[in-house]
Amino acid sequence: GQNIDQPTEMTATEGAIVQINCTYQTSGFNGLFWYQQHAGEAPTFLSYNVLDGLEEKGRFSSFLSRSKGYSYLLLKELQMKDSASYLCAVRTDSWGKLQFGAGTQVVVTP
Amino acid sequence: DVKVTQSSRYLVKRTGEKVFLECVQDMDHENMFWYRQDPGLGLRLIYFSYDVKMKEKGDIPEGYSVSREKKERFSLILESASTNQTSMYLCASSLFLRSSGNTIYFGEGSWLTVV
Repeated sequence: GQNIDQPTEMTATEGAIVQINCTYQTSGFNGLFWYQQHAGEAPTFLSYNVLDGLEEKGRFSSFLSRSKGYSYLLLKELQMKDSASYLCAVRTDSWGKLQFGAGTQVVVTP
Repeated sequence: DVKVTQSSRYLVKRTGEKVFLECVQDMDHENMFWYRQDPGLGLRLIYFSYDVKMKEKGDIPEGYSVSREKKERFSLILESASTNQTSMYLCASSLFLRSSGNTIYFGEGSWLTVV
């Protein structure tokens, strides 16, 4: 079966850094995605990793270790608008199908 | 700009009713998907389609069917709605890809309540 695990909730202060971990065990692997989803809205794309290492995009970075089945999303200089759910998703075939984790709710406090 | 449009944002239906959720994308994407999202369970794949008139079951297809008569349109059908199908339904589309960072794009979601 497919298993994608991430913490349910994390709380951090404005201006701080938060790291959201994702571990996966899937039947196939063809890339890992992170999405941001604000309450009542559609998920929006944040980052993509297919090779091991760190991908940086502004305040957001994502890391992948395929041998460990592990990824993290790093959010720096947290802002109140970063309060949202963050979804880890694995592309399990070469056609485009994504399997999602349950999401991590990040709460940013003043 | 990328656009995936779901025809209904909020619906209330009665148990046993037939329900149609429509989704249209304007990006000429080959792939289209229907997910449902429930608290604590995340997004679960119901059905997907890689081409016109083609459909594949996802992880939770029971109680659902789909139709893809045109490339831009992918419909989700609940033949006889039940209360356990109360959920948020997300349609998505993507390019048919082999290896790429091409992501999938989501519609705004349809909140369905079955009473």
